[in-house]
Amino acid sequence: DIVMTQSPDSLAVSLGERVTINCKSSQSVLYTSNNKNYLVWYQQKSGQPPKLVIYWASAREFGVPDRFSGSGSGTDFTLTISSLQAEDVAIYYCQQYYSPPFTFGQGTRLEIK
Amino acid sequence: EVQLVESGGGVVQPGGSLKLSCAASGLTFRGSGIHWVRQASGKGLEWVGRIRSKANSYATEYGASVKGRFTISRDDSTYTAYLEMTSLKAEDTAVYYCTSGLVYLDSGSATDYWGQGTLVTVS
Repeated sequence: DIVMTQSPDSLAVSLGERVTINCKSSQSVLYTSNNKNYLVWYQQKSGQPPKLVIYWASAREFGVPDRFSGSGSGTDFTLTISSLQAEDVAIYYCQQYYSPPFTFGQGTRLEIK
Repeated sequence: EVQLVESGGGVVQPGGSLKLSCAASGLTFRGSGIHWVRQASGKGLEWVGRIRSKANSYATEYGASVKGRFTISRDDSTYTAYLEMTSLKAEDTAVYYCTSGLVYLDSGSATDYWGQGTLVTVS
């Protein structure tokens, strides 16, 4: 099984500051046939189902603010929020879609400092 | 508008069984896979399993913690997927979500859909 490891487990950032969350997979999730990384990022707010933020490692879901971006390839990925807003407080998860079981990272809790 | 609605959650004794349903509307159900994801209170997301479409032979895959105890099925005529859970343990207590997984759109982009979840308590 592919193990997904996120860092940090939690972070507190001031409003307007940049946020970086990392996700590492135990093996590559890059399909060389189409050059797509099968890696998604979810945002989950309290009491709600997860909300897709980024797919294919760097494609922003429709309606997601452009302060959210994803980068990386192969085994190392990053979710960046360029300027933290109050509504971004949530837990963020990465998930690989490369091969089942489609494992999640343990989550990163983002709070306001 | 796409909607996924889970039902069937409740309280069950250890060793018991329960069958959850996921009713879909507005989704090209026949062409879509359906995943189940669970979340214990205060814990992270755990992928439970998936059933693929008829075109992919209704293939199923499961996470290690549920393999052999849980079975995913679907009825395309009623746009409903199911998660049958047997030999339930206390550690299966969680909110269970059904989700479409990534759905590829005509535009070349993708999205996904989630239900609101149903709570299963094993006690």
